[in-house]
Order: sequence, then structure tokens, then C-alpha cells
Amino acid sequence: KAGVTQTPRYLIKTRGQQVTLSCSPISGHRSVSWYQQTPGQGLQFLFEYFSETQRNKGNFPGRFSGRQFSNSRSEMNVSTLELGDSALYLCASSPGDSQNYGYTFGSGTRLTVV
Amino acid sequence: AQSVTQLGSHVSVSEGALVLLRCNYSSSVPPYLFWYVQYPNQGLQLLLKYTSAATLVKGINGFEAEFKKSETSFHLTKPSAHMSDAAEYFCAVSGGSNYKLTFGKGTLLTVNP
Repeated sequence: KAGVTQTPRYLIKTRGQQVTLSCSPISGHRSVSWYQQTPGQGLQFLFEYFSETQRNKGNFPGRFSGRQFSNSRSEMNVSTLELGDSALYLCASSPGDSQNYGYTFGSGTRLTVV
Repeated sequence: AQSVTQLGSHVSVSEGALVLLRCNYSSSVPPYLFWYVQYPNQGLQLLLKYTSAATLVKGINGFEAEFKKSETSFHLTKPSAHMSDAAEYFCAVSGGSNYKLTFGKGTLLTVNP
């Protein structure tokens, strides 16, 4: 069974640009969550989608957005990039109908803003 | 609201010694608790989870954790450390209708030969 796939693995962008990251969950999983990991703030929750609907949202500015498609694949978008957006962005998937199953993480996308 | 406190940002043990990584949580609803491990330049791998069944949970790679409600703790242990256990470990909590993980700051485990 394939795991959670995140693309691309690495990205370098310039301040002010926008970026789109992609996540393909485990087959059959309907929930996809996104997290930002930085040395200073640790792991912070961005948002979670279940069956194409945003079910939870963290405390991030509106520049951070996401969506989920009918095949459960998800994308997150960051507009008007700032240096502080440099981070490892992790995607996690779960069946979504119960928290008993836990969450499976992808390898992440390392975003560097210069 | 939920929160996690991991005591000790860095723990160093000798190979073959007991590993004990501490985690205390706060939750207003019955919690689901998780331990994840992260190796350099990789994502998070689930070690074990507590989901209100047995309070002693066994995970992968010889790790286990015990849920103690009275102490609001979920400490991670392994009887004998191996060099390959060197990594960063994260404790996380979720619960209720809140399908998100709240993580602790992490504990970096170093294993000395």
C-alpha cells in the first residue's frame, strides 16, 4: 500500500511569489491535514480537509489556503511569500471517520524563501 | 483546548540503557495520544497510539508507553537503546471533534556507544 506522497520535496521561492504544494493520501483515506514545522515554532497545524470540506483550521493568516479534490488529493497554497514561511510542510492522511486510526505523514516539502 | 509538554528537549543515553521520554498532556475531552519519531530530513513515523483501549500501549521498534490519567502522562520507554533510535521524538494529542494533532516541542534522543 503506497504511503502519503508529497510533491515536490524541495522548493526555493522568492519573497512575494506564491507556491502550491501537493499531497496524495493513502488510498481510501478521506482526511488530509497540513502542518508547518520550523525550528522556532515546532509543528503547527494549518488545516484539515475531509471529503472536500475544510473541517478544522489553525491560526495562520489568510495567505495560507488549501483545498481537497474528489479523489482526496489535497493542495495547499501560500501567496505573497515571506521569509518566515521557510519551513518543512508536512501532510498527513487518515480514514477521517474516527481518530482511532491515527495519522500517517508524508516526507514533507522543504520550502525555502529567499 | 489541548496542549502537550515534553520534559527535556534533549536526552542522552548509552547504548543498551533504558530510554525514558516524558510527555504530559492537557485535554478537556478524552484524549487520543500519539508518539511519533522523526529522522533527519524525513517526515513523522507513528511509533504508537493510545485510543482508550489498553493503558499500556506497545509500538514498533520495542517502544511502549503507558497512559496514566491521574498523572495526565504518556511517557515513552524502551528497555534497551540502540544506536538506530537516535532521532527526534514528538508526543501529540487530539480528541473530541477536533481532528487535529497538537504536538509537543519534541525531544532529541542521542545514543552514545
